[in-house]
Amino acid sequence: DAKTTQPPSMDCAEGRAANLPCNHSTISGNEYVYWYRQIHSQGPQYIIHGLKNNETNEMASLIITEDRKSSTLILPHATLRDTAVYYCIVRVGQGAQKLVFGQGTRLTINP
Amino acid sequence: KAGVTQTPRYLIKTRGQQVTLSCSPISGHRSVSWYQQTPGQGLQFLFEYFSETQRNKGNFPGRFSGRQFSNSRSEMNVSTLELGDSALYLCASSLATSGGPYNEQFFGPGTRLTVL
Repeated sequence: DAKTTQPPSMDCAEGRAANLPCNHSTISGNEYVYWYRQIHSQGPQYIIHGLKNNETNEMASLIITEDRKSSTLILPHATLRDTAVYYCIVRVGQGAQKLVFGQGTRLTINP
Repeated sequence: KAGVTQTPRYLIKTRGQQVTLSCSPISGHRSVSWYQQTPGQGLQFLFEYFSETQRNKGNFPGRFSGRQFSNSRSEMNVSTLELGDSALYLCASSLATSGGPYNEQFFGPGTRLTVL
């Protein structure tokens, strides 16, 4: 599975869009980008995933660059409850249910 | 639909003892994975069970083992506990099939194990 690089921490004002970057320059053609987040004292929670097209769901949007070497998770209107550690994970879309977590980005939403 | 449940939520053991943690997946999920989370190493994959068979294993010593029952419930066991085994142990279930695509994993709240 390709390695990812994320900033260790970010701050965002409540109500603004939070844009979390992830670099995955060694991503292979059959690897997807997955985002999970972990709110303090809870288990991780799936957010969204994508292969090469931009994706949107009720939680967030995922923008993947054309060369697929980086992506951005966008929380359009951040709330205090979005304060969490966000993990960007790159893996193939088939096979065992194993996730390799990096250190993630600690996102703090400020009132 | 009930989420993933883990028991117990908190556990205190002493070095040398063994411990068994339990995980009940979401109804209909046949894949159960276990992860260990520590401040130093972060979240690390332990193993995955699918239809009562271990399908994948992380880089942990043989003191860490698990099993899955026919109802998909899973247990993990750690023998001869060491201080470094103190961690949050997370269980995750998914709708994964044999040879099929990766499916989002739903995590339980975890069991916090303290080894004294």
